[in-house]
Amino acid sequence: GQQLNQSPQSMFIQEGEDVSMNCTSSSIFNTWLWYKQDPGEGPVLLIALYKAGELTSNGRLTAQFGITRKDSFLNISASIPSDVGIYFCAGTDKLIFGTGTRLQVFP
Amino acid sequence: GAGVSQTPSNKVTEKGKYVELRCDPISGHTALYWYRQSLGQGPEFLIYFQGTGAADDSGLPNDRFFAVRPEGSVSTLKIQRTERGDSAVYLCASSLGESGTEAFFGQGTRLTVV
Repeated sequence: GQQLNQSPQSMFIQEGEDVSMNCTSSSIFNTWLWYKQDPGEGPVLLIALYKAGELTSNGRLTAQFGITRKDSFLNISASIPSDVGIYFCAGTDKLIFGTGTRLQVFP
Repeated sequence: GAGVSQTPSNKVTEKGKYVELRCDPISGHTALYWYRQSLGQGPEFLIYFQGTGAADDSGLPNDRFFAVRPEGSVSTLKIQRTERGDSAVYLCASSLGESGTEAFFGQGTRLTVV
């Protein structure tokens, strides 16, 4: 079945550093979405990517949809403590989630 | 309401009992998704509705799990003969269209089977 693999599994960084995480798939997806999940909450949508090669920004977040439609990356610039959480990529149509990247930010 | 609403927020049930979990999607959203999330794991796809019909139920783990969306809005996830392994957070999401446009999640229902 369809699988999305994220790397790294976890990251521990200093406040102010930039972060990059990746998502790869064995299948082609029409749309890629990046979500952040805080403890006890549902995932919250960060960025949506619709076209192969598309590069989209949302504040300090930048994400790109790979040309092959099988991968994507998410960058966070100048990290702050509230960036802590688990980041998931997801591919549609039926919205399959990746394995997640857990981010810890130290002051 | 403005967002996806799930009820109850917490449910404790005894092994073998039947439970129903409810999801109220965002008004006008035709697509609705159910997921199960265990501690430390990503959301695991269960079933996807487009309107009233289940477009893909390949994620339902076995025939104890069933979901309905009779009027194309509210959905109910039903679990029969619950087992301790069913304990998890059950998440619901909705989106506008069939092509997997941006999906928004509820807070989830934490199910504990004792």
